[in-house]
Amino acid sequence: GAVVSQHPSRVICKSGTSVKIECRSLDFQATTMFWYRQFPKQSLMLMATSNEGSKATYEQGVEKDKFLINHASLTLSTLTVTSAHPEDSSFYICSASGVNYGYTFGSGTRLTVV
Amino acid sequence: ELKVEQNPLFLSMQEGKNYTIYCNYSTTSDRLYWYRQDPGKSLESLFVLLSNGAVKQEGRLMASLDTKARLSTLHITAAVHDLSATYFCAPWGGYTNAGKSTFGDGTTLTVKP
Repeated sequence: GAVVSQHPSRVICKSGTSVKIECRSLDFQATTMFWYRQFPKQSLMLMATSNEGSKATYEQGVEKDKFLINHASLTLSTLTVTSAHPEDSSFYICSASGVNYGYTFGSGTRLTVV
Repeated sequence: ELKVEQNPLFLSMQEGKNYTIYCNYSTTSDRLYWYRQDPGKSLESLFVLLSNGAVKQEGRLMASLDTKARLSTLHITAAVHDLSATYFCAPWGGYTNAGKSTFGDGTTLTVKP
């Protein structure tokens, strides 16, 4: 079946630094990738949608200069949280979709900003 | 904008009992997903329902979709402790909506012995 690898699974960073999260589709070509954010005991909130080779489309209220998304190939998308602050601490999950494939979720990244 | 209402939000059941989780959504959608999430983990795909009247079953879980009523249900039969998790429904927004799904708030299920 379709597999999406997400790294790192956990990251602790200092306030003001940047963190990059990678999401790779291992056995299919992901034409579209979705990035979600989940706070404790809440649902998933879609942050942005990215198509390979195109600029990401951000949801209302999501700062595109703070959450940089790159989808340079059909198997890799990255989310960079720039100048992270404690309020950015959250669980970030990617999801990949390809032709004839549904939506496969990565294992998530727990970001803690101290 | 597609809105999703899931209920109940919290469900405490005894082992062996049956119950149904409901997922109502506000605009037309002909595809709906159900996911399971364990604490601290990502989402696991349970079902994708692709048409009106679709019914899928896996073990003690059965999902159905009524696109005319804009309603999906997840029925739990003879609950066991291993089913304790949070369950999300997510109607599909369609290709005109960039293939996005909108998630319900989730139903946290606790199965007690």
